[in-house]
Amino acid sequence: GENVEQHPSTLSVQEGDSAVIKCTYSDSASNYFPWYKQELGKGPQLIIDIRSNVGEKKDQRIAVTLNKTAKHFSLHITETQPEDSAVYFCAASRNTNAGKSTFGDGTTLTVKP
Amino acid sequence: EADIYQTPRYLVIGTGKKITLECSQTMGHDKMYWYQQDPGMELHLIHYSYGVNSTEKGDLSSESTVSRIRTEHFPLTLESARPSHTSQYLCASSETTGLRGPLHFGNGTRLTVT
Repeated sequence: GENVEQHPSTLSVQEGDSAVIKCTYSDSASNYFPWYKQELGKGPQLIIDIRSNVGEKKDQRIAVTLNKTAKHFSLHITETQPEDSAVYFCAASRNTNAGKSTFGDGTTLTVKP
Repeated sequence: EADIYQTPRYLVIGTGKKITLECSQTMGHDKMYWYQQDPGMELHLIHYSYGVNSTEKGDLSSESTVSRIRTEHFPLTLESARPSHTSQYLCASSETTGLRGPLHFGNGTRLTVT
């Protein structure tokens, strides 16, 4: 089955700096890669996703890059703000509706004001 | 914005009690899931359903059971709660048609068994 590794497990940055979280996956058939943000007391919420036919996707201050050959994808947050502090999860799955998602173990991001 | 609701938000219960955690979604999604989230924040799939009358066990063994009698409703039951069941339980759903899309999560039920 699929295995997703996520690094780092904790990340602390100064407000205004960039943050990068990296994930690797094992199943070469995986082709859908969402990122979720979980704030305290809430469930994870989708912040951005990418499919395998795209190498990069941006949405304002967040971006995701995908390297299918190396089987890794990364989340980039620029100009970080204190409200970006949360736990971030990457996930990988096949682009069909019969499959399950495999999650990374999460990264706790702290943005210091 | 996701329309998936979990009740109760918090539950403290004694050992041996039977409990049911409720999950409902108003998006018409066929696929629904239960995840257990431990203090280290890792997400473990314990049950999933592809539609009415369909239930499957997930990757993490669990003593809980689920049922799917209606599309919108996916309750999780523990027949006899134990302290080892203390955890955060997250319900999620996803679309069935078209390309694979994201999971929509509820805000969870934090269960404490004393």
